[in-house]
Amino acid sequence: ETGVTQTPRHLVMGMTNKKSLKCEQHLGHNAMYWYKQSAKKPLELMFVYSLEERVENNSVPSRFSPECPNSSHLFLHLHTLQPEDSALYLCASSQDAGAGANVLTFGAGSRLTVL
Amino acid sequence: GQNIDQPTEMTATEGAIVQINCTYQTSGFNGLFWYQQHAGEAPTFLSYNVLDGLEEKGRFSSFLSRSKGYSYLLLKELQMKDSASYLCAVEDSNYQLIWGAGTKLIIKP
Repeated sequence: ETGVTQTPRHLVMGMTNKKSLKCEQHLGHNAMYWYKQSAKKPLELMFVYSLEERVENNSVPSRFSPECPNSSHLFLHLHTLQPEDSALYLCASSQDAGAGANVLTFGAGSRLTVL
Repeated sequence: GQNIDQPTEMTATEGAIVQINCTYQTSGFNGLFWYQQHAGEAPTFLSYNVLDGLEEKGRFSSFLSRSKGYSYLLLKELQMKDSASYLCAVEDSNYQLIWGAGTKLIIKP
């Protein structure tokens, strides 16, 4: 496997369910990100981890809970979501966080539908 | 506030040239990125500009004018596979990426 891999690719859940999104990067990068992508809207940065420590949390509701057990893996735990949380969730990695010319490598995303 | 503007959708013909514009107002500037995203796929890096001028990379070129807060992505000899969304993003003074909503490019035969 190369690049950034996300699972599952598609997820349908009820508002009372608990599920997790997984991201794995094989690039040796030090920073990992969660983004939310909604139709016709700019990418919204949710969380940033640098060397497994959270460095950014953009006022994301507590029903989204990130976990970074090591520099290669990132999770997004979901619970009691709302229908407006339905979106494409993109994971990305970069060599470092907070540095110029910070090229991101994205995963293909997890398409989440909340019923 | 910080803002990135780009057209929502554009249509062009196979073999032609298309220019996708991006204007920005941000707190500082540390560079501008263009990404390509095919439907259902990951965004992929296309170009990075930090100095004024044109950067050419094969059929794709990206231009930057910092004084005007303006960039464009130029695609030449369009191919059907160029049908995708093109995302403009600016790195502000805190190295935060500010994203545009993307331009959906439709290529017709």
